[in-house]
Amino acid sequence: DAMVIQNPRYQVTQFGKPVTLSCSQTLNHNVMYWYQQKSSQAPKLLFHYYDKDFNNEADTPDNFQSRRPNTSFCFLDIRSPGLGDAAMYLCATSIGGNQETQYFGPGTRLLVL
Amino acid sequence: SQQGEEDPQALSIQEGENATMNCSYKTSINNLQWYRQNSGRGLVHLILIRSNEREKHSGRLRVTLDTSKKSSSLLITASRAADTASYFCASEGGSEKLVFGKGTKLTVNP
Repeated sequence: DAMVIQNPRYQVTQFGKPVTLSCSQTLNHNVMYWYQQKSSQAPKLLFHYYDKDFNNEADTPDNFQSRRPNTSFCFLDIRSPGLGDAAMYLCATSIGGNQETQYFGPGTRLLVL
Repeated sequence: SQQGEEDPQALSIQEGENATMNCSYKTSINNLQWYRQNSGRGLVHLILIRSNEREKHSGRLRVTLDTSKKSSSLLITASRAADTASYFCASEGGSEKLVFGKGTKLTVNP
């Protein structure tokens, strides 16, 4: 089945130790998104790619970076995780253009010790 | 913040009852979508209603949209224990981005 895959499902890192979360999709969608979701809150968009065009949200901290080496893969790099970065990180895709449904992966829960 | 509001924040009902969740948003939209999230999981798309539509049905789901009031509601009829989840509305106003509401946590008791 076509889907959005996130690995790992759970990630434990140490304060200040760089960590990379990965997302892959078999939907061949043009747009990929990264969201941060803290407990009992709405998903917050960090950035998205339309093909190779990178779109950063204004309030996304510089500590968060992203790479999309090809259509299928997108990575979220957290350069120096702080305790406040502990959250669920959700990857999503959409075909592109306006009015499109987003398809979400299962998420990676990040714990910062 | 462009984030919308949903109410109630939490709703607890018995199986078989109907559940109604409301959502308000702040900017003009192309469409409004509802998503469901089981605990600790990703979001699943439920239904999309376009700005020129007033009501839409999908199975046990009924969504209404009032663009003059910038509000939407989601009705789940004949609820089941498996409907227990958080429900989010998301408004789409362009640029491929969704703005999510704060969500309603629904508990359906057997």
